[in-house]
Amino acid sequence: KQEVTQIPAALSVPEGENLVLNCSFTDSAIYNLQWFRQDPGKGLTSLLLIQSSQREQTSGRLNASLDKSSGRSTLYIAASQPGDSATYLCAEPRDDKIIFGKGTRLHILP
Amino acid sequence: DAGVIQSPRHEVTEMGQEVTLRCKPISGHNSLFWYRQTMMRGLELLIYFNNNVPIDDSGMPEDRFSAKMPNASFSTLKIQPSEPRDSAVYFCASSLGFTGGGNYGYTFGSGTRLTVV
Repeated sequence: KQEVTQIPAALSVPEGENLVLNCSFTDSAIYNLQWFRQDPGKGLTSLLLIQSSQREQTSGRLNASLDKSSGRSTLYIAASQPGDSATYLCAEPRDDKIIFGKGTRLHILP
Repeated sequence: DAGVIQSPRHEVTEMGQEVTLRCKPISGHNSLFWYRQTMMRGLELLIYFNNNVPIDDSGMPEDRFSAKMPNASFSTLKIQPSEPRDSAVYFCASSLGFTGGGNYGYTFGSGTRLTVV
């Protein structure tokens, strides 16, 4: 059974700090990895999609990496802001389903 | 593109009533998925359509749940009769699907928050 794991489940960081969210997966043949953000009571917003031929993707203050050999992905957030507070979900999108981790609840302390 | 559009945003209904949730996928996407999210179970795949055809409905919890996709731009998820344990947020997502070059990721709608009292 393919799984996606995110540790820690929750994280609090002072505003302005850089931080890294971790994701691990068991599928050694992973095609792609996608990071989502979910605000309380809201939907899922796609942040970054890393395709198998890529090692990382960047969008603004966000940088996501994919290391297939170690089964890991990281989401780096630079200069964190209170508005970054949300749950961040790592997921493996397949053709017939998307396998989600349980997410990391991030709280940026003002 | 306006993204994946779901309606209604919120639905409160009494136990035993029929509930219909609606979804309009992104134009050109050939795969559509219905997910349910609860605190206890997280995100669960209910059913998956490819080119309007249901491919995998093994996640549909009971016969009370049914889903249709009459055309490429519209899908419904129906619960009849509804029960309090069906209360959850229901998400629709669409994707370009597998093209041989890899999956292009998923786009989710804003969800329908269903409360059955």
